[in-house]
Amino acid sequence: QKEVEQNSGPLSVPEGAIASLNCTYSDRGSQSFFWYRQYSGKSPELIMFIYSNGDKEDGRFTAQLNKASQYVSLLIRDSQPSDSATYLCAVNTDADYKLSFGAGTTVTVRA
Amino acid sequence: DTEVTQTPKHLVMGMTNKKSLKCEQHMGHRAMYWYKQKAKKPPELMFVYSYEKLSINESVPSRFSPECPNSSLLNLHLHALQPEDSALYLCASSQPGGVYEQYFGPGTRLTVT
Repeated sequence: QKEVEQNSGPLSVPEGAIASLNCTYSDRGSQSFFWYRQYSGKSPELIMFIYSNGDKEDGRFTAQLNKASQYVSLLIRDSQPSDSATYLCAVNTDADYKLSFGAGTTVTVRA
Repeated sequence: DTEVTQTPKHLVMGMTNKKSLKCEQHMGHRAMYWYKQKAKKPPELMFVYSYEKLSINESVPSRFSPECPNSSLLNLHLHALQPEDSALYLCASSQPGGVYEQYFGPGTRLTVT
């Protein structure tokens, strides 16, 4: 049974600060890792995916993966009010179409 | 182009109605998905089609009937739904193989009265 745990929210950060979101997973066979952003009433939007250990940067977002520790994180630098949303961590294993989602962390960026 | 479209955006239906949700993608993906999402919960997988064949059915009640007419289209036929089926229904697509990123459509907000 795949389990994905995210740090409980809500997370409130001031504008311009770094928001740090954490996710752990239980299945050591997990191969691919995703971060989705979901605004209230909207659908999930893929913002980052990572397959290999280490860091992956895309603009203000950095995903970090440590398979030995079964840990994936998302850093949002220079947080903006438009980053206020729920962030979903999702994990998949090879040859399995099923994404296991964490419960989500709600981030509020205060001006 | 990472776009998945869904129609309608909103749907209100009675428990005796029959309706269909539609999804279309033009990314050349060969895997398509239906998810159900309740408020403040993550999406729950319902069905997966791979190469137009049903690959996964997550024990969904028969009042939900999926159909994949071709590699770009995915339908979800609804019949005799219950009020607890009210939710956001999401379509997604990806490259086949299971490990690739899934792109979600905007969803259909379904209310069953």
